[in-house]
Amino acid sequence: QSALTQPASVSGSPGQSITISCTGTSSDVGGYNYVSWYQQHPGKAPKLMIYEVSNRPSGVSNRFSGSKSGNTASLTISGLQAEDEADYYCSSYTSSSINWVFGGGTKLTVL
Amino acid sequence: QITLKESGPTLVKPTQTLTLTCTFSGFSLSTSGVGVGWIRQPPGKALEWLALIYWDDDKRYSPSLKSRLTITKDTSKNQVVLTMTNMDPVDTATYYCAHIHTVTPSWDYWGQGTLVTVSS
Repeated sequence: QSALTQPASVSGSPGQSITISCTGTSSDVGGYNYVSWYQQHPGKAPKLMIYEVSNRPSGVSNRFSGSKSGNTASLTISGLQAEDEADYYCSSYTSSSINWVFGGGTKLTVL
Repeated sequence: QITLKESGPTLVKPTQTLTLTCTFSGFSLSTSGVGVGWIRQPPGKALEWLALIYWDDDKRYSPSLKSRLTITKDTSKNQVVLTMTNMDPVDTATYYCAHIHTVTPSWDYWGQGTLVTVSS
């Protein structure tokens, strides 16, 4: 059981927008602005897409955006493209002894 | 350009000790704020954080695995080594090393990963 809760799957058609949620506690998501999101294609290493809740690394499309409200963070992908089909993981720093936690991952299907 | 690469055995037997090496370039583990961590992913499952070592030799471990893990660094060789004792088939996973900086805490650069299978 992962420390952060994500939906197992989401789907959308090309051009649409989707949002993936990531729910934690006040010890992690709610307590720090250290939420990050990762994209992972099959057989590949994860790639950082969003850091510190809403910041995009250089080179990441502005179709990807992040936000947070209380203990829940969200990743929104607008203008869905076929290449966005992948697994997405959230992560957060936590004040518990775990230090770093990941979500269970969400499989995005582009219909 | 920051790169990391994991190396180690692809197959270990139950009860054996696993030793993985992360060799990196493009940054120094003697620079303030820099860290290297290990994250694993069993086949078809989620990512799991294992351990992290900072530039100042501060070490952090996943509580559930702390008794089995040791992380060390060799700054002169640009390497971080993770050892995991008493390996079990449930430890079969792809093991990744990744870079982190305290200024923007996130795993911003990842190695390609190495699949370790635990089987007799």
